[in-house]
Amino acid sequence: AQSVTQLDSQVPVFEEAPVELRCNYSSSVSVYLFWYVQYPNQGLQLLLKYLSGSTLVKGINGFEAEFNKSQTSFHLRKPSVHISDTAEYFCAASLGSSYKLIFGSGTRLLVRP
Amino acid sequence: DVKVTQSSRYLVKRTGEKVFLECVQDMDHENMFWYRQDPGLGLRLIYFSYDVKMKEKGDIPEGYSVSREKKERFSLILESASTNQTSMYLCASSQMTGGPFYEQYFGPGTRLTVT
Repeated sequence: AQSVTQLDSQVPVFEEAPVELRCNYSSSVSVYLFWYVQYPNQGLQLLLKYLSGSTLVKGINGFEAEFNKSQTSFHLRKPSVHISDTAEYFCAASLGSSYKLIFGSGTRLLVRP
Repeated sequence: DVKVTQSSRYLVKRTGEKVFLECVQDMDHENMFWYRQDPGLGLRLIYFSYDVKMKEKGDIPEGYSVSREKKERFSLILESASTNQTSMYLCASSQMTGGPFYEQYFGPGTRLTVT
């Protein structure tokens, strides 16, 4: 079955440190990939997306992600995090020609002062 | 700016009640979605609609139904609420035509508690 896996349920990190949130997908067909962020008591907001072209994708708030087809990964990175980055992050994939998204289980990023 | 609104942020209902969750989008999107969000499970698709009066089951449709009478409005119905339907419900919308894939825009969510 096609799936999206976020191995880390929670990632604690100190302010101004770099962070990487991991995402792997399983698919034998073409894939579009997304990272969404959910701040407390809010809906999901798109951080960045990969549809085609350059494998390094830059998004809002200083985040970037790299699509690696051979490793079926789409890890999210930020070189220096802020307290305000504390939120839950969801990786999602659209597989083949489907309009639907498959979501990972989410990673809670906890930024400490 | 795309706006997706949901009728309630918090809702408390009793077991057996019929519950309506309403979602409205203002960007003329063809696609609308209802998800359920539970800790450790991410978002799971309940139902999807690609046009007025058209619907498609998602991954967990049991116990739910939907209605889309107008393009901008998509309702989720719990015919007889049960405690295992206590959850956060998120509505989303997206375009359909003209590109490989369009992002989904989400509403703020409705936290439903069934007692």
